[in-house]
Amino acid sequence: AQSVTQPDIHITVSEGASLELRCNYSYGATPYLFWYVQSPGQGLQLLLKYFSGDTLVQGIKGFEAEFKRSQSSFNLRKPSVHWSDAAEYFCAVVASNFGNEKLTFGTGTRLTIIP
Amino acid sequence: DTAVSQTPKYLVTQMGNDKSIKCEQNLGHDTMYWYKQDSKKFLKIMFSYNNKELIINETVPNRFSPKSPDKAHLNLHINSLELGDSAVYFCASSLTEYGYTFGSGTRLTVV
Repeated sequence: AQSVTQPDIHITVSEGASLELRCNYSYGATPYLFWYVQSPGQGLQLLLKYFSGDTLVQGIKGFEAEFKRSQSSFNLRKPSVHWSDAAEYFCAVVASNFGNEKLTFGTGTRLTIIP
Repeated sequence: DTAVSQTPKYLVTQMGNDKSIKCEQNLGHDTMYWYKQDSKKFLKIMFSYNNKELIINETVPNRFSPKSPDKAHLNLHINSLELGDSAVYFCASSLTEYGYTFGSGTRLTVV
C-alpha cells in the first residue's frame, strides 16, 4: 500500500525567506503526487500535482515541487514566503489502481511565518 | 456555484444522538469520498463511492453509514455519536485519479 511521510511537523521561517517542505512516498510504481494547503479553519486547496513528464511542477501561489524518483521524494518549494502562506501543508499520493483510487495523505507540516 | 458543498459547516450535538452530513458536487465527477481529519490534523479516508457504488470502506465503525442517492450526492449518517467522533469531516470528489476537489469541511463536536 502506498504511504506518505512528511518528516517535519512544524517549520518556522521568516517572511521573504525561502521554503522547502519535505515529502517522501512509498509506492512501487509511479505515483500520482499532490500538495494541498489548508489555512486555519478552511478546507483543502490543491497547490500542484505530478503525474508524469517534467519532474519540476509549477503550482499556484508561486509554489513548485520536484519529483525525484531516486529519492522517492516530492518536496515543495517557494523562493520567498509571504505571511499569508502560514498554513498546514499536506503531501498526498494516489495509486493508479483504476477503480480503487484513494488519496493517502501525509501527517502534514505546519508552517509559521515570522514577520 | 460551489464545486463541492457540505452542510452543515458546524455541528454540535450530544453523545448518543444520530446526525447526518450532506455533500453535493456539481463537477460531474464519478467518484466521491468522505475523509476524517482528527484533532492532530491527520486526514484519513473513510468511504468512497463510484457512480453510487461503494468501492472503498476503510475500517470505520458500523455506526457510520454512507449513502449515495445519485453520483452527485454522498451523505454520511452517524448513529449513537461518541466523543471520539469529534473531528472535521471532508467530502471530496474526483474524476479518476487526475484531480480531487474537497469541500470546506464539517466540524462535528460531540459533547
